[in-house]
Amino acid sequence: DVKVTQSSRYLVKRTGEKVFLECVQDMDHENMFWYRQDPGLGLRLIYFSYDVKMKEKGDIPEGYSVSREKKERFSLILESASTNQTSMYLCASSFRDNSYEQYFGPGTRLTVT
Amino acid sequence: KNEVEQSPQNLTAQEGEFITINCSYSVGISALHWLQQHPGGGIVSLFMLSSGKKKHGRLIATINIQEKHSSLHITASHPRDSAVYICAVEYGNKLVFGAGTILRVKS
Repeated sequence: DVKVTQSSRYLVKRTGEKVFLECVQDMDHENMFWYRQDPGLGLRLIYFSYDVKMKEKGDIPEGYSVSREKKERFSLILESASTNQTSMYLCASSFRDNSYEQYFGPGTRLTVT
Repeated sequence: KNEVEQSPQNLTAQEGEFITINCSYSVGISALHWLQQHPGGGIVSLFMLSSGKKKHGRLIATINIQEKHSSLHITASHPRDSAVYICAVEYGNKLVFGAGTILRVKS
């Protein structure tokens, strides 16, 4: 079974803190994605990566950065957390040749106070 | 305006009822996905459609490419079907998601 894990299920941080969200997949997938999910808006793509050390901006990259130093791990970084970044964050992965068949992690619910 | 619109946003049904969730999209696509998200859980894929109809157990998905519309049907609904159902379309090099339909099935 494909497994995508995320470092925390729930996280509470203060405004201005630097926040790291970690995602690990065990299926040797080339592609990895970070989304945020908000009520009424659905999933929106923040960043994706199609290879180690490669990254591409998604639809809403402002206020976020990413790191992919190893194939199985993709990190989302909030340099200075703000209250409007309170959301559910979902990581996903897929094979390069089938980027639409994505496997999702359980999500991290981040609250910024 | 979202490129992918789902209706209804919320749906409450009694156990045993036939349920329909609709998805309309405004762009040309190569395929459409239906996904399920249980409370507190991750997202799993139910169907991928590029034409016609697919069936898996009590779930049926249809798509009309000309009308840019898809439906997900659940027959003989059960409380364990309670979840968020998400429509997503393959557009360009990415998936574009609808906002989701929150389904609650009461026993």
